Amino acid sequence: EVQLVESGGGLVQPGGSLRLSCTASGFTLSSYWISWVRQAPGKGLEWVANIKQDGSEKYYVDSVKGRFTISRDNAKKSLYLQMDSLRAEDTAVYYCARESYCGVNCFSGLFDVWGQGTLVAVSS
Amino acid sequence: DIQMTQSPSSLSASVGDRVTITCRASQSISSYLNWYQQKPGKAPNLLIYTASSLQSGVPSRFSGSGSGTNFSLTISSLQPEDFATYYCQQRYSMLWTFGQGTKVEVK
Repeated sequence: EVQLVESGGGLVQPGGSLRLSCTASGFTLSSYWISWVRQAPGKGLEWVANIKQDGSEKYYVDSVKGRFTISRDNAKKSLYLQMDSLRAEDTAVYYCARESYCGVNCFSGLFDVWGQGTLVAVSS
Repeated sequence: DIQMTQSPSSLSASVGDRVTITCRASQSISSYLNWYQQKPGKAPNLLIYTASSLQSGVPSRFSGSGSGTNFSLTISSLQPEDFATYYCQQRYSMLWTFGQGTKVEVK
């Protein structure tokens, strides 16, 4: 079964750090761009960051640039989101999502597989 | 960044109704528009990609249309399992952006 499973969420104080993980199964992780998408409580979806198949390209939404770092370890079938300098407005469910394959040097932006999400709460 | 605006934000409908949701992009995105369905407590699920292509396994009562800046998602005959929130998303230009969502509620 094609699957993504997130972990690492929890309660953290403002200014603190958290590292989310996303583990893939049922497909070859190294063939796909992967994104992180978040959803604040009762709000809509917001794309946060993504990373190319080999980790050579990474993109971030402006609100997390310089604070969040996306990375991957294809050998471990895992993606990561290091979140530093957390703010209350970062409180959300964080999903990892696979971007459908479109070739070696192209952007897909088509999220065809999603994890179940992990909740990050930033509060004192 | 490209802004995506959906309308309405919510709507009330009955089983069997025809429902249409619209999505407007702040600039032309050709046909690079996706639609997702999300039920409470669940991850989003891809319904339509490239404006009008039905994702495998999605019922044919769902359809999409449009190009450029104006798009729509239509449910031809609303079923009980279709009460959910729907999001459009552009994949024309990195950084990917979503509409604010349209909640389809029971009338």
